[in-house]
Amino acid sequence: AQSVAQPEDQVNVAEGNPLTVKCTYSVSGNPYLFWYVQYPNRGLQFLLKYITGDNLVKGSYGFEAEFNKSQTSFHLKKPSALVSDSALYFCAVRDQAGTALIFGKGTTLSVSS
Amino acid sequence: KAGVTQTPRYLIKTRGQQVTLSCSPISGHRSVSWYQQTPGQGLQFLFEYFSETQRNKGNFPGRFSGRQFSNSRSEMNVSTLELGDSALYLCASSLAVAGDADTQYFGPGTRLTVL
Repeated sequence: AQSVAQPEDQVNVAEGNPLTVKCTYSVSGNPYLFWYVQYPNRGLQFLLKYITGDNLVKGSYGFEAEFNKSQTSFHLKKPSALVSDSALYFCAVRDQAGTALIFGKGTTLSVSS
Repeated sequence: KAGVTQTPRYLIKTRGQQVTLSCSPISGHRSVSWYQQTPGQGLQFLFEYFSETQRNKGNFPGRFSGRQFSNSRSEMNVSTLELGDSALYLCASSLAVAGDADTQYFGPGTRLTVL
């Protein structure tokens, strides 16, 4: 069965520093992986996805993610954090039926000024 | 292009009542999925509709149902509400292009409170 894990409930970084939000996955077959962000009282906003190809995926708002097959990881990164990046981040994998997303528990990112 | 819209944004119901939530997908999107978000269980998949047919279903009781109309708009219904049904219900739409890992785009959600 497909699953993702986000090992950190919260990540704290200072503005201007690089940030990493971790995600590991377990899948049967090819992994289709996604990152979403949720701001308070809002729905989920799509950041980026990995289907195949380059292991470094670039997405919205300066975010990127590194796919690592040997470590079964798909970590979200940004070179320089902004206070406005503070939000809840979800990693997700597409299910085997190909029509649903299976989400991790989410990681709260807090960027201090 | 307008995003996914959901109505109403907030609902308060009492136990035993039923509720209907509505979702309008992005224009041209043919697949609509529903998710439940709670602090304890996180984000859980409810069901997915394509061309008015339910293609996939999560592990929820039969009190949760949905449908899709010919214009791709979707509704979900929860009957005999329980306190545990209090949640943010999120709708997502996608193009459902064959052979591609579709991207789901989410609406703002409907916050349901059951008293």
